[in-house]
Amino acid sequence: AQSVTQPDIHITVSEGASLELRCNYSYGATPYLFWYVQSPGQGLQLLLKYFSGDTLVQGIKGFEAEFKRSQSSFNLRKPSVHWSDAAEYFCAVAADSYDKVIFGPGTSLSVIP
Amino acid sequence: DVKVTQSSRYLVKRTGEKVFLECVQDMDHENMFWYRQDPGLGLRLIYFSYDVKMKEKGDIPEGYSVSREKKERFSLILESASTNQTSMYLCASSAAGAVTGNTIYFGEGSWLTVV
Repeated sequence: AQSVTQPDIHITVSEGASLELRCNYSYGATPYLFWYVQSPGQGLQLLLKYFSGDTLVQGIKGFEAEFKRSQSSFNLRKPSVHWSDAAEYFCAVAADSYDKVIFGPGTSLSVIP
Repeated sequence: DVKVTQSSRYLVKRTGEKVFLECVQDMDHENMFWYRQDPGLGLRLIYFSYDVKMKEKGDIPEGYSVSREKKERFSLILESASTNQTSMYLCASSAAGAVTGNTIYFGEGSWLTVV
């Protein structure tokens, strides 16, 4: 069965510092991978997605993610964090039946001014 | 802009009550989903629907049912609410699902407290 793990429950970074959020997946075939962001009290917004091709994917708000098949990882990065990036981040993998999307437990990001 | 609207943002219900959570999308999407979000557990799929009057169980369907009589509307029903159903409920929709490259769009969520 497909699954997603996000090893870091909570991360705190200083504004302007770089950021990397980790995501590992378990899936037998070529995965379809996503990162979503959830601001407090809001729904989820898609940051970026990987389906095929270039393993480095660019998203909105200056985020990027790199797919590494050998490590079953899809880590999210941003070179310089802004205070407005404080939110919950979810990694997800799409299952190939009925278009289901499996979400990880999320990583909460705090940004120190 | 795609809009997924959940009619109730905050609800407080009593144990044993029947609860309806309503969701409407305005983009003519085929797929609609109901997720439950709990701290440390991420989003767990309750039910989804890929067409009118069609539904499939997700990972945690027990204690829930759904209704999709019209394409734009997908309702989640708690037949007899229990305290362990206190949670944030998220509705979502997509044109043809994630596997075909279409983004899933989420509503803002409904916070349900069962007392």
